[in-house]
Formats: sequence, structure tokens, C-alpha cells
Amino acid sequence: DSGVTQTPKHLITATGQRVTLRCSPRSGDLSVYWYQQSLDQGLQFLIQYYNGEERAKGNILERFSAQQFPDLHSELNLSSLELGDSALYFCASSVQAGYTDTQYFGPGTRLTVL
Amino acid sequence: DQQVKQNSPSLSVQEGRISILNCDYTNSMFDYFLWYKKYPAEGPTFLISISSIKDKNEDGRFTVFLNKSAKHLSLHIVPSQPGDSAVYFCAASGNNAGNMLTFGGGTRLMVKP
Repeated sequence: DSGVTQTPKHLITATGQRVTLRCSPRSGDLSVYWYQQSLDQGLQFLIQYYNGEERAKGNILERFSAQQFPDLHSELNLSSLELGDSALYFCASSVQAGYTDTQYFGPGTRLTVL
Repeated sequence: DQQVKQNSPSLSVQEGRISILNCDYTNSMFDYFLWYKKYPAEGPTFLISISSIKDKNEDGRFTVFLNKSAKHLSLHIVPSQPGDSAVYFCAASGNNAGNMLTFGGGTRLMVKP
């Protein structure tokens, strides 16, 4: 158990819908990262937040957005869902925002878009 | 353009023998490397890391070797155990390459009893 929690574990929805994925980092960690794992793309970085502020952005679609709240939990919002958005979404956290800070991953949310 | 590659999608070894997993990278800005292990239905679990100022790092049965000139790293597991059967990802980051991790495609290791 990494100490990072993610809810829900599974999510099934229809095209065009909007969903929110939630992540609680390990106690004391200030950075939260979101990654997408799809069959053809592997694990891809989406976005990083540090202490409530956006820190880095990867290949995140405009239909996707995220935020980190004052209690440091984070939410990833996916809208106008398409079939290709079906994937595993992982959240990770680290103590600080440095590139050598070990990232600890949550168990993931499996999103299925029908 | 895959910046981190794991060219072997799978590897099968006998229990007690050495497992060697390989990883190549192309971005010279990467200077910190990690290995993660992933079981089905779980998130990646951190195993071991290495900074580019070193060429070797050991932690118990796990050793990571880095050849910076060849842009190649490898993970050695000795001795291999059936519980090591999982998918192994190498990942890279760099101060000038963003703090995010760039992952390889993974290698599925099967350790046979």
C-alpha cells in the first residue's frame, strides 16, 4: 500500500459524458501527478500540481482539466468523453516537486467509455 | 517519438537465476532513472533509482546499472523469485526535461518455479 488513494476504482460511462476522478496523496506529500495508461500509449504524464498550483503539463487534452485543493487532494475532470479515453488513470504523489523526488502511485481508476 | 524504450516485451527465467531487464533512452537531458514494478490491478510500485553521477546502485536483490555513454540502463534481480513475476517499467526524469516521469513500455517478467 503506497498511501495514495484513488476513487472510484472503476468507472463506466458513455461518450459525451463528464467524469471526475479523485486522488488523495500520501500524508505530507505536496506534489500530485496524473498519468494515463492506455493499451497503445503506455504510461503517459498528464499534469502535475504542487501545493495547489499547476507545476507542469504533459500531453493533456483540452477536454481534461485538474486541480489540487487546499487539503492537497486532487481531482481530474474528463469531459466530452470519447471511446479513446478509455484507460487506466493513475495518480502519484511526492514530497516535493523535484525531479529526483520518488513518485508513489495509487491503485488507479479504470475508465471505460462505451 | 519514444524517448524511453524497453525492447523486450517479455522475459522468462527460472527461479533462483538472474533476471536482467534492459532499457534505452534517447533524451540526453535525462539524468535520473527509476524502475517500477507493477502487478495486475495495482499501481506501479517504486523499486530502485539511480542518478547519472553513479553507474550502479544496489538494494538487496535489485541492482541497477547505468551506462550513460550508451544511454542504457539495466535492472538485475538476483536471485529471481516467483513473486517477482510482474511488469517492470523503467522511467526517466531530468531537471531540464521536466519533473515528470517518462516511462518505457514495460517488460513482463515471468519467474518459473
